[in-house]
Amino acid sequence: GESVGLHLPTLSVQEGDNSIINCAYSNSASDYFIWYKQESGKGPQFIIDIRSNMDKRQGQRVTVLLNKTVKHLSLQIAATQPGDSAVYFCAEGLGQGAQKLVFGQGTRLTINP
Amino acid sequence: NAGVTQTPKFQVLKTGQSMTLQCAQDMNHNSMYWYRQDPGMGLRLIYYSASEGTTDKGEVPNGYNVSRLNKREFSLRLESAAPSQTSVYFCASIRTLNYGYTFGSGTRLTVV
Repeated sequence: GESVGLHLPTLSVQEGDNSIINCAYSNSASDYFIWYKQESGKGPQFIIDIRSNMDKRQGQRVTVLLNKTVKHLSLQIAATQPGDSAVYFCAEGLGQGAQKLVFGQGTRLTINP
Repeated sequence: NAGVTQTPKFQVLKTGQSMTLQCAQDMNHNSMYWYRQDPGMGLRLIYYSASEGTTDKGEVPNGYNVSRLNKREFSLRLESAAPSQTSVYFCASIRTLNYGYTFGSGTRLTVV
């Protein structure tokens, strides 16, 4: 039978369209959230972050939305390009000191030409 | 180039063998981390070091040991490798969490 975790959630979009990747986090006390992009064979790369005192933050072609009421985070990528194809992870962090991050399972984004 | 360097990039071990994964960062970061990533899954924290001289367990520490050799270097040791430790291992470091983690390129370990 299938093993849980071997099949990432996937999202396919046409090149040039906007994409939205969603993430549910678990700890209502989390105060910092990050989105990472991981291309095949590489380590995760920082995309954008947001603190719990904000509900929206914009970067270059990316926007992160935070809904603390339902513990939901989303990453919007505008005008997707072939180079956006990757696995995207959300991560939540707590407090001071070592700042451990807890990562979600990830979503595989595929850009169709 | 500044960043996090991991060695080796690939390794195959037999069950019961030991090895040490090396990690070094040249960004003067205080905190360093070891994560493992299994197929189709997110990263899980093995051990971390908040500062030179301190180490703490993460989510999945069993079967591993770590050493924070100095501010730059944080090594991960497998004393007796098991097939369940087949994974991709990532080292990361941060100055402060406001800037997120910087990850190395990973070590792909296979235990047969």
